[in-house]
Amino acid sequence: GQSLEQPSEVTAVEGAIVQINCTYQTSGFYGLSWYQQHDGGAPTFLSYNALDGLEETGRFSSFLSRSDSYGYLLLQELQMKDSASYFCACGGATNKLIFGTGTLLAVQP
Amino acid sequence: DTAVSQTPKYLVTQMGNDKSIKCEQNLGHDTMYWYKQDSKKFLKIMFSYNNKELIINETVPNRFSPKSPDKAHLNLHINSLELGDSAVYFCASSHRQGAGEQYFGPGTRLTVT
Repeated sequence: GQSLEQPSEVTAVEGAIVQINCTYQTSGFYGLSWYQQHDGGAPTFLSYNALDGLEETGRFSSFLSRSDSYGYLLLQELQMKDSASYFCACGGATNKLIFGTGTLLAVQP
Repeated sequence: DTAVSQTPKYLVTQMGNDKSIKCEQNLGHDTMYWYKQDSKKFLKIMFSYNNKELIINETVPNRFSPKSPDKAHLNLHINSLELGDSAVYFCASSHRQGAGEQYFGPGTRLTVT
Protein backbone atom coordinates (compact mmCIF):
# COMPACT_ATOMS: atom_id res chain seq x y z
CA GLY A 1 0.00 0.00 0.00
CA GLN A 2 0.94 3.65 0.18
CA SER A 3 1.71 5.59 3.34
CA LEU A 4 3.29 8.92 4.21
CA GLU A 5 4.68 10.29 7.46
CA GLN A 6 5.08 13.91 8.39
CA PRO A 7 5.31 15.74 11.74
CA SER A 8 1.96 16.67 13.24
CA GLU A 9 2.96 20.18 14.34
CA VAL A 10 5.71 22.70 13.75
CA THR A 11 6.10 26.12 15.34
CA ALA A 12 8.29 28.94 14.05
CA VAL A 13 8.59 32.71 14.29
CA GLU A 14 7.96 35.32 11.64
CA GLY A 15 10.89 35.80 9.30
CA ALA A 16 12.38 32.40 10.09
CA ILE A 17 12.90 29.36 7.84
CA VAL A 18 11.06 26.12 8.51
CA GLN A 19 11.38 22.68 6.94
CA ILE A 20 8.54 20.15 6.91
CA ASN A 21 9.72 16.60 6.23
CA CYS A 22 7.83 13.79 4.59
CA THR A 23 8.79 10.14 4.20
CA TYR A 24 6.74 7.87 2.00
CA GLN A 25 6.23 4.24 1.10
CA THR A 26 4.60 3.34 -2.17
CA SER A 27 4.99 1.03 -5.12
CA GLY A 28 5.44 2.58 -8.53
CA PHE A 29 6.18 6.01 -7.07
CA TYR A 30 5.97 8.79 -9.64
CA GLY A 31 5.95 12.05 -7.69
CA LEU A 32 5.59 13.96 -4.42
CA SER A 33 3.23 16.92 -4.08
CA TRP A 34 2.70 19.53 -1.41
CA TYR A 35 -0.56 21.25 -0.53
CA GLN A 36 -1.44 24.08 1.82
CA GLN A 37 -4.75 24.26 3.64
CA HIS A 38 -5.86 27.16 5.79
CA ASP A 39 -8.39 26.49 8.52
CA GLY A 40 -11.83 26.28 6.93
CA GLY A 41 -10.38 26.41 3.42
CA ALA A 42 -9.60 24.03 0.59
CA PRO A 43 -6.25 22.34 -0.09
CA THR A 44 -4.21 24.46 -2.49
CA PHE A 45 -1.48 22.98 -4.67
CA LEU A 46 2.02 24.29 -3.86
CA SER A 47 4.55 22.12 -5.68
CA TYR A 48 5.30 18.81 -7.35
CA ASN A 49 8.58 16.91 -7.58
CA ALA A 50 8.98 13.97 -9.92
CA LEU A 51 12.79 14.03 -10.05
CA ASP A 52 15.44 14.32 -7.36
CA GLY A 53 16.45 17.79 -6.37
CA LEU A 54 15.14 21.13 -5.27
CA GLU A 55 12.27 23.04 -6.91
CA GLU A 56 11.93 26.69 -5.95
CA THR A 57 8.78 28.78 -6.21
CA GLY A 58 9.20 32.13 -4.51
CA ARG A 59 9.51 31.71 -0.75
CA PHE A 60 8.62 28.02 -0.97
CA SER A 61 10.94 25.24 -2.12
CA SER A 62 10.38 21.50 -2.28
CA PHE A 63 12.98 18.76 -2.32
CA LEU A 64 12.84 15.12 -3.29
CA SER A 65 15.21 12.20 -2.83
CA ARG A 66 13.76 9.13 -4.52
CA SER A 67 16.50 6.85 -3.21
CA ASP A 68 15.65 7.83 0.37
CA SER A 69 11.87 7.97 -0.19
CA TYR A 70 12.03 11.38 1.40
CA GLY A 71 11.07 14.92 0.62
CA TYR A 72 10.64 18.23 2.35
CA LEU A 73 8.94 21.57 1.97
CA LEU A 74 11.04 24.60 2.87
CA LEU A 75 9.32 27.86 3.74
CA GLN A 76 11.49 30.95 3.94
CA GLU A 77 10.84 34.44 5.34
CA LEU A 78 7.85 33.10 7.23
CA GLN A 79 4.78 35.30 7.42
CA MET A 80 1.77 35.06 9.71
CA LYS A 81 -0.36 34.10 6.71
CA ASP A 82 1.74 30.94 6.29
CA SER A 83 0.05 29.50 9.40
CA ALA A 84 -1.84 26.55 7.93
CA SER A 85 -1.75 22.79 7.52
CA TYR A 86 0.67 21.39 4.98
CA PHE A 87 0.13 18.03 3.35
CA CYS A 88 2.53 15.93 1.36
CA ALA A 89 0.94 13.56 -1.13
CA CYS A 90 2.36 10.90 -3.37
CA GLY A 91 1.23 9.24 -6.54
CA GLY A 92 2.03 5.62 -7.25
CA ALA A 93 1.00 2.47 -9.03
CA THR A 94 -2.59 2.79 -7.83
CA ASN A 95 -2.90 5.95 -9.94
CA LYS A 96 -4.34 8.00 -7.13
CA LEU A 97 -2.95 10.64 -4.81
CA ILE A 98 -2.45 9.53 -1.22
CA PHE A 99 -2.18 12.32 1.32
CA GLY A 100 -0.15 12.42 4.50
CA THR A 101 -1.82 13.29 7.79
CA GLY A 102 -0.75 16.93 7.56
CA THR A 103 1.58 19.23 9.50
CA LEU A 104 0.06 22.14 11.34
CA LEU A 105 2.42 25.11 11.06
CA ALA A 106 1.99 27.86 13.62
CA VAL A 107 3.86 31.08 12.86
CA GLN A 108 4.35 33.27 15.89
CA PRO A 109 5.14 37.01 15.90
CA ASP B 1 -14.07 32.71 -13.04
CA THR B 2 -14.02 30.11 -10.27
CA ALA B 3 -11.98 27.06 -11.29
CA VAL B 4 -13.72 24.34 -9.24
CA SER B 5 -17.03 25.16 -7.62
CA GLN B 6 -19.29 23.05 -5.48
CA THR B 7 -22.66 23.56 -3.85
CA PRO B 8 -23.83 23.76 -1.21
CA LYS B 9 -21.05 25.02 1.05
CA TYR B 10 -22.86 23.87 4.18
CA LEU B 11 -25.36 21.06 4.58
CA VAL B 12 -27.08 20.24 7.85
CA THR B 13 -29.50 17.34 7.79
CA GLN B 14 -30.94 14.55 9.87
CA MET B 15 -30.03 10.90 9.90
CA GLY B 16 -31.81 8.86 7.27
CA ASN B 17 -32.19 11.72 4.80
CA ASP B 18 -30.84 11.75 1.23
CA LYS B 19 -28.73 14.65 -0.01
CA SER B 20 -26.71 15.68 -3.06
CA ILE B 21 -23.59 17.78 -3.59
CA LYS B 22 -22.79 19.26 -6.99
CA CYS B 23 -19.41 20.06 -8.48
CA GLU B 24 -18.34 21.83 -11.64
CA GLN B 25 -14.90 22.67 -13.06
CA ASN B 26 -14.13 25.11 -15.87
CA LEU B 27 -10.46 24.16 -16.24
CA GLY B 28 -11.00 21.74 -19.10
CA HIS B 29 -9.62 18.89 -17.01
CA ASP B 30 -10.39 15.28 -17.89
CA THR B 31 -10.36 13.90 -14.35
CA MET B 32 -12.51 14.74 -11.34
CA TYR B 33 -12.47 13.41 -7.78
CA TRP B 34 -14.41 13.32 -4.56
CA TYR B 35 -12.42 13.44 -1.33
CA LYS B 36 -13.60 13.17 2.28
CA GLN B 37 -11.81 15.06 5.06
CA ASP B 38 -12.67 13.95 8.57
CA SER B 39 -12.45 15.85 11.83
CA LYS B 40 -8.77 14.91 12.18
CA LYS B 41 -8.14 16.54 8.78
CA PHE B 42 -7.32 13.22 7.15
CA LEU B 43 -7.96 13.64 3.41
CA LYS B 44 -9.00 10.46 1.63
CA ILE B 45 -10.04 9.83 -1.94
CA MET B 46 -13.52 8.38 -2.44
CA PHE B 47 -14.08 8.36 -6.21
CA SER B 48 -12.32 9.34 -9.38
CA TYR B 49 -13.80 9.85 -12.83
CA ASN B 50 -11.93 10.25 -16.09
CA ASN B 51 -13.95 11.57 -19.04
CA LYS B 52 -17.21 10.55 -17.32
CA GLU B 53 -15.95 7.04 -16.61
CA LEU B 54 -15.59 5.76 -13.03
CA ILE B 55 -11.95 4.87 -12.45
CA ILE B 56 -11.59 4.66 -8.67
CA ASN B 57 -14.14 3.59 -6.07
CA GLU B 58 -12.43 3.40 -2.71
CA THR B 59 -14.53 0.89 -0.76
CA VAL B 60 -17.12 3.55 -0.14
CA PRO B 61 -20.54 2.35 1.11
CA ASN B 62 -23.17 1.86 -1.58
CA ARG B 63 -25.13 4.71 -0.04
CA PHE B 64 -22.69 7.02 -1.85
CA SER B 65 -23.32 7.27 -5.57
CA PRO B 66 -21.34 9.62 -7.82
CA LYS B 67 -22.61 10.72 -11.21
CA SER B 68 -20.75 12.48 -13.98
CA PRO B 69 -23.10 13.82 -16.67
CA ASP B 70 -20.14 15.29 -18.56
CA LYS B 71 -16.45 15.74 -17.88
CA ALA B 72 -16.98 19.18 -16.33
CA HIS B 73 -19.46 17.97 -13.71
CA LEU B 74 -19.30 15.42 -10.93
CA ASN B 75 -22.11 15.09 -8.42
CA LEU B 76 -22.33 13.04 -5.24
CA HIS B 77 -25.60 11.65 -3.94
CA ILE B 78 -25.76 10.17 -0.46
CA ASN B 79 -28.66 8.00 0.67
CA SER B 80 -29.74 7.23 4.23
CA LEU B 81 -27.28 9.60 5.85
CA GLU B 82 -25.54 8.43 9.03
CA LEU B 83 -23.82 10.34 11.81
CA GLY B 84 -20.45 9.06 10.61
CA ASP B 85 -20.96 10.76 7.25
CA SER B 86 -20.38 14.13 8.91
CA ALA B 87 -17.23 15.54 7.29
CA VAL B 88 -16.05 18.01 4.71
CA TYR B 89 -16.38 16.73 1.14
CA PHE B 90 -14.06 18.18 -1.48
CA CYS B 91 -14.38 17.94 -5.21
CA ALA B 92 -11.14 18.24 -7.20
CA SER B 93 -9.95 18.04 -10.78
CA SER B 94 -6.73 17.46 -12.69
CA HIS B 95 -5.45 17.10 -16.25
CA ARG B 96 -4.89 13.39 -15.92
CA GLN B 97 -5.76 10.54 -13.61
CA GLY B 98 -3.82 10.62 -10.33
CA ALA B 99 -1.89 13.77 -11.21
CA GLY B 100 0.17 15.38 -8.49
CA GLU B 101 -1.32 18.78 -9.31
CA GLN B 102 -4.98 18.84 -8.42
CA TYR B 103 -7.37 21.74 -7.98
CA PHE B 104 -9.87 21.60 -5.14
CA GLY B 105 -13.30 23.11 -4.76
CA PRO B 106 -14.17 25.09 -1.62
CA GLY B 107 -15.65 22.04 0.12
CA THR B 108 -19.06 21.10 1.48
CA ARG B 109 -19.30 20.79 5.24
CA LEU B 110 -21.88 18.09 5.90
CA THR B 111 -23.32 17.77 9.39
CA VAL B 112 -25.66 14.90 10.14
CA THR B 113 -27.71 15.20 13.33
